[in-house]
Amino acid sequence: KNQVEQSPQSLIILEGKNCTLQCNYTVSPFSNLRWYKQDTGRGPVSLTIMTFSENTKSNGRYTATLDADTKQSSLHITASQLSDSASYICVVSPGGYNKLIFGAGTRLAVHP
Amino acid sequence: DGGITQSPKYLFRKEGQNVTLSCEQNLNHDAMYWYRQDPGQGLRLIYYSQIVNDFQKGDIAEGYSVSREKKESFPLTVTSAQKNPTAFYLCASSGAPDTEAFFGQGTRLTVV
Repeated sequence: KNQVEQSPQSLIILEGKNCTLQCNYTVSPFSNLRWYKQDTGRGPVSLTIMTFSENTKSNGRYTATLDADTKQSSLHITASQLSDSASYICVVSPGGYNKLIFGAGTRLAVHP
Repeated sequence: DGGITQSPKYLFRKEGQNVTLSCEQNLNHDAMYWYRQDPGQGLRLIYYSQIVNDFQKGDIAEGYSVSREKKESFPLTVTSAQKNPTAFYLCASSGAPDTEAFFGQGTRLTVV
């Protein structure tokens, strides 16, 4: 069964600290893996999209890694800011229009 | 200003009533999607459309209906047959198969 598991479910960190969110998947075939940021009550916004051949991709303070052999991905946030408080969703695509598999997300709270 | 617009942001419905959620995009995207988001769960696909006048059921289409008469518009009707319609509904669009999906800001539907 195609699944995307994210951990932790929720996380609290202090402003300025770093954190890493995890994503494990059992989706096959694999086309790409995406990380989205979703503010409360808003639509998700894309952070990164990585294909099989990409090991790491950065977007400002966000760095995503992908290990296609172990089917694991991580999202590292550097020097966290209060505005980083949101849910982070890992999404895996087997290809095509209709088959995005969404994780349940990690809810991050950054406290001053 | 290009983007994808959902309306209304909040919607209240009495049991037994049908209600239609609006989704409009000016990104010239061929593909459009409707997802449902419930607390603690990943997004689930309701319907998707790859081209005008064509649409396909997703994983949870029962109790929902859609139309795609124009490229820019993909309205979703939540019918009285949907047993648990209270949820956050997200519309998305993409330009080609397996490319980045852009999301609207969502509509929160509450059945009262």
